[in-house]
Amino acid sequence: AQSVTQPDIHITVSEGASLELRCNYSYGATPYLFWYVQSPGQGLQLLLKYFSGDTLVQGIKGFEAEFKRSQSSFNLRKPSVHWSDAAEYFCAVGEEAGNMLTFGGGTRLMVKP
Amino acid sequence: KAGVTQTPRYLIKTRGQQVTLSCSPISGHRSVSWYQQTPGQGLQFLFEYFSETQRNKGNFPGRFSGRQFSNSRSEMNVSTLELGDSALYLCASSRRTGANVLTFGAGSRLTVL
Repeated sequence: AQSVTQPDIHITVSEGASLELRCNYSYGATPYLFWYVQSPGQGLQLLLKYFSGDTLVQGIKGFEAEFKRSQSSFNLRKPSVHWSDAAEYFCAVGEEAGNMLTFGGGTRLMVKP
Repeated sequence: KAGVTQTPRYLIKTRGQQVTLSCSPISGHRSVSWYQQTPGQGLQFLFEYFSETQRNKGNFPGRFSGRQFSNSRSEMNVSTLELGDSALYLCASSRRTGANVLTFGAGSRLTVL
């Protein structure tokens, strides 16, 4: 069965600092990988996705993620964090045959001024 | 264009009652998926409907059911509510099923007393 692990439950960074959120997945076939962000009281917004091709993918709001098959990882990065980035971030793996996503437990990001 | 619309946004029920939640997908989207989000279990897949047929079902008891109408709108129903059913229920839509980007609604927050 597929699974996703986000090792960091909480992360605090200073505004302007760089950010890396970790994600490790377990999936037998070619994974379809996603990062979503959730602000309080809101649904999930897609930041970026990886289906195939270039292993470094660019997303919205200045985020990027790198797929590393050898490490089963799909870490999310941002070079300079803004206060508005404070939210909860979810990594997810999807399957080819349907729209069932398996989510990690999430990482709550706090941004210090 | 309009996003995924979920109604109601908030509701309070008592144990033993039943509840019906509604989801209107983005125009042209034919797949609707439902997810349950709780602090303890995180985001879990409930089921997916495509062209009025249930495609996948997550590991939830039979008290959880859903359906999709010919206009792609979907409803989910939870019967005999338990305290543990208190959660944010998220609906997501996509154009088709399989390896797709899901667009999520803001969710319906259910509180069971």
